[in-house]
Amino acid sequence: DIQMTQSPSSVSASVGDRVTITCRASQGISIWLAWYQQTPGKAPKLLIYSASNLQTGVPSRFSGSGSGTDFTLTISSLQPEDFATYYCQQADSFPPTFGQGTKVEIK
Amino acid sequence: EVQLLESGGGLVQPGGSLRLSCTASGFTFSSHAMSWVRQSPGQGLQWVSAITGSGYGTHYADSVKGRFTISRDNPKNMVYLDMTSLRAEDTAVYYCAKGRYGSNYYYVTDVWGQGTTVTVSS
Repeated sequence: DIQMTQSPSSVSASVGDRVTITCRASQGISIWLAWYQQTPGKAPKLLIYSASNLQTGVPSRFSGSGSGTDFTLTISSLQPEDFATYYCQQADSFPPTFGQGTKVEIK
Repeated sequence: EVQLLESGGGLVQPGGSLRLSCTASGFTFSSHAMSWVRQSPGQGLQWVSAITGSGYGTHYADSVKGRFTISRDNPKNMVYLDMTSLRAEDTAVYYCAKGRYGSNYYYVTDVWGQGTTVTVSS
C-alpha cells in the first residue's frame, strides 16, 4: 500500500494567516491526490481533487499543488470556519489510502 | 440536493454480525460507484470497501476481506455493508461515500453521509 505522510500533525494559526500543509507519498502518484476537510462530529468534505482542482463550492482561498510524491494544501487567509482537520488521500492505486491528518487549531 | 444517510450501526459482541445501510438521493444512483470508509475513535480515515455502479465489481481492504460484503440495490438507491466475524478493531464510525467520477471510479469521493457508529465489545 502507498503510505501518505502529512506534516505538520497540527498547526496553530490565527484568522487571516496563510497556512500550508504538506503531504508526501511513499511512491509517485502523479497528480492523483485529493484533500478533505473534517470538522468535529462531521463527515469529511472534498476540497481538492487531482492535486489542484477545486471542488465545486469550495472557496478560492483553498489551493493545492504538487505532483509525484510531494503535495501541498494552502489556505491563503484562514477563516473561522477553516479550523478543522485536513486529510490527503492518494487516488493513484489500490487501495486508496489517507494521510494521518493535520489539525488546524486556533492560536 | 445530493444526500447519503447511513443506518444500522450499534453495539455488537466480538464475532457477531451487523448490516449497515446507506440510502442515497439527489443523483443518478446507478451511475456512481459507492464506497464505505471508516474512522476509528480519535483516529484517521480508512477506506473499507467499494462497489461499481452496476454492482458487478466489488473491492475490499485486506483487513476486512472475507468478513465484509458490499452490495447495492439500484432500484431502491441503497448500498449495504454486511459485516461478519466482527473484531474490536472494527469499532469505528462508518461513512457511506459517493464516487466522484462515474460508475467504476471510487478512489475520490465527493459526498459523504453523516456516518453510523459500530462498536464491537463484550
